[in-house]
Amino acid sequence: DTEVTQTPKHLVMGMTNKKSLKCEQHMGHRAMYWYKQKAKKPPELMFVYSYEKLSINESVPSRFSPECPNSSLLNLHLHALQPEDSALYLCASSPYLTGDSYEQYFGPGTRLTVT
Amino acid sequence: GQQVMQIPQYQHVQEGEDFTTYCNSSTTLSNIQWYKQRPGGHPVFLIQLVKSGEVKKQKRLTFQFGEAKKNSSLHITATQTTDVGTYFCAARTRRTNAGKSTFGDGTTLTVKP
Repeated sequence: DTEVTQTPKHLVMGMTNKKSLKCEQHMGHRAMYWYKQKAKKPPELMFVYSYEKLSINESVPSRFSPECPNSSLLNLHLHALQPEDSALYLCASSPYLTGDSYEQYFGPGTRLTVT
Repeated sequence: GQQVMQIPQYQHVQEGEDFTTYCNSSTTLSNIQWYKQRPGGHPVFLIQLVKSGEVKKQKRLTFQFGEAKKNSSLHITATQTTDVGTYFCAARTRRTNAGKSTFGDGTTLTVKP
């Protein structure tokens, strides 16, 4: 099973709202990622977790707050977002962070609109 | 920082024609992955190349990694309408932070029936 699930599929939020995006994988992968993707652009890395610890933060604004409660779950907490944060948010996982197994399995994404 | 240049940006073909997208780097790559993203979909992992000069095939798709590990290509033989989408390469170098892949800008393929 190479499935990564994400909820919700769509989210509309105001600039003063607080919301969370959720991601889950049951492949036993030890690395999990958050990406942001704008239309007609490649995925842009935001955060990387390895063995439930934050490994990379690509200088993401503090209004985005990641959390990895356990090895299968990854959350992204959103607060005081800006309209330019509207995008497709993708979660991905890979077997490990190092070694030869870098292939990433992406979830279907959450389409976020900030009004 | 490391850049991976992917060309062409767009490719329009008649069904049955071949298609190739290329990724080029000025630095030696540790490995490269290829992903396909259908319109409205999410990136789907296709293949990973690790060895110099490696060639892998998946049905009508042929993936190559250059001898110098600085370039890679994806070739589709006899395209079908199901091949429509954006193809991304993603690469890592020895200097890349573990976990960070640099994505090319993608090649968007449209196929006319």
